[in-house]
Amino acid sequence: DTGVSQDPRHKITKRGQNVTFRCDPISEHNRLYWYRQTLGQGPEFLTYFQNEAQLEKSRLLSDRFSAERPKGSFSTLEIQRTEQGDSAMYLCASSLATTSGSFYEQYFGPGTRLTVT
Amino acid sequence: DAKTTQPNSMESNEEEPVHLPCNHSTISGTDYIHWYRQLPSQGPEYVIHGLTSNVNNRMASLAIAEDRKSSTLILHRATLRDAAVYYCILRDGSTDSWGKFQFGAGTQVVVTP
Repeated sequence: DTGVSQDPRHKITKRGQNVTFRCDPISEHNRLYWYRQTLGQGPEFLTYFQNEAQLEKSRLLSDRFSAERPKGSFSTLEIQRTEQGDSAMYLCASSLATTSGSFYEQYFGPGTRLTVT
Repeated sequence: DAKTTQPNSMESNEEEPVHLPCNHSTISGTDYIHWYRQLPSQGPEYVIHGLTSNVNNRMASLAIAEDRKSSTLILHRATLRDAAVYYCILRDGSTDSWGKFQFGAGTQVVVTP
C-alpha cells in the first residue's frame, strides 16, 4: 500500500500525559498537512509543511502542540500535557506541489483517534 | 475566506442519481471549487474540482452555475459505498496553491438499498 499511513490508529491517554503521533506521507509528496476533526465536524487545519519547513500554523495549534518533519519525509505531531478537549481524530494528508503552482489533490491518511480520559 | 453552505443530509435510493448542492455566494473569481468525501472511519478522499466549466471524472460530475455562486456534485448512480459525508470547499487559486482547505460540516449522504 503506497497511501498515507498514520500510527497509532488509536490512542487512549490520561489527562496531563504527552502523546506523539506519526505520519508517513506518499513518498514523492513534498507537502504534508495536519488536521484535527471532532465528532460531527469537518477537519480543521492545524499546520502545513513544504519539505522540512513548517510554513503555516493555525491559531488552533496552541503552545502544547508541536509538529516536525525533520528530513522532509515523515512527520510527528506531539501534544504535551493533554487535556480532555484534545480528544479528536488527528488526520494527516500529503500532496505534490510543483514550481508552476499546479494543484495536486491531497491524500489523507486514516487518522489517529485520541481519547483523553 | 469565502464560505460554503450545504444541506446537513440527503437520502437517495441505490442506483439513482444524487444531486448535492453547494452555495458559495461570496466566491471570488480565483476560487476553485473542490469536493471531498469521507467514508466512515476513513480520512477524506478527493472527488472532483473545477473553476468555471463543468467537470466529469469516473467518480462524479461537477456542475457549476454560470454566476459561480453555486455548484452541484452529481453522483450518477448511487451505490451503498457512496454513503459518506461530502464536503464542498473553496480554494484560493490566486496565491501559491498549497492547498489549505477549510472544511465545513458537509452533507451526510444516506443510500438506501
